[in-house]
Amino acid sequence: GEDVEQSLFLSVREGDSSVINCTYTDSSSTYLYWYKQEPGAGLQLLTYIFSNMDMKQDQRLTVLLNKKDKHLSLRIADTQTGDSAIYFCAELYGNNRLAFGKGNQVVVIP
Amino acid sequence: DTAVSQTPKYLVTQMGNDKSIKCEQNLGHDTMYWYKQDSKKFLKIMFSYNNKELIINETVPNRFSPKSPDKAHLNLHINSLELGDSAVYFCASSPGPGNTIYFGEGSWLTVV
Repeated sequence: GEDVEQSLFLSVREGDSSVINCTYTDSSSTYLYWYKQEPGAGLQLLTYIFSNMDMKQDQRLTVLLNKKDKHLSLRIADTQTGDSAIYFCAELYGNNRLAFGKGNQVVVIP
Repeated sequence: DTAVSQTPKYLVTQMGNDKSIKCEQNLGHDTMYWYKQDSKKFLKIMFSYNNKELIINETVPNRFSPKSPDKAHLNLHINSLELGDSAVYFCASSPGPGNTIYFGEGSWLTVV
């Protein structure tokens, strides 16, 4: 199966920027996604980027894609306490299936 | 209006029992999925259906049997539940290949 790597934990002060990183393996992936999971809740689609793009900005979220290094990052500007959650990157491959990273827990300190 | 809805949200049951989780999507999507999230939060696909036809079956034990009565519904039946089946099961749907996948709120299954 595909292999998506993420670091595990990030602590950030409210108002600062957070950056979460992810590497993926399938160079033929068409879409790459960021999902957010708050404690005890489901998976919320945050944003996605098509594989022929380098960057996508959506309000406080900026996604950067480095296709050469197969590296994806999510920057959250002006991090709020409501941003505390686990963030999963995922790549779409093969028969429309998602391969998820192990998730990155973000803790926002007031 | 919940786009992808699953029931029950929480389920506690004894080993050996048979249980079902139901999923419905009102997005008009053709493709539906079941994903499993284990105790370490790792998410992995189990099944995918496209227009009621099974297209992905990821080496899941035979005790797990998905059923899609129509393209808006995908249910998951689990026979002879084991402790290791305790997990969060997510239903999801998408318009089809190459499109964004939307998830339900999850069903927390605990086998005791």
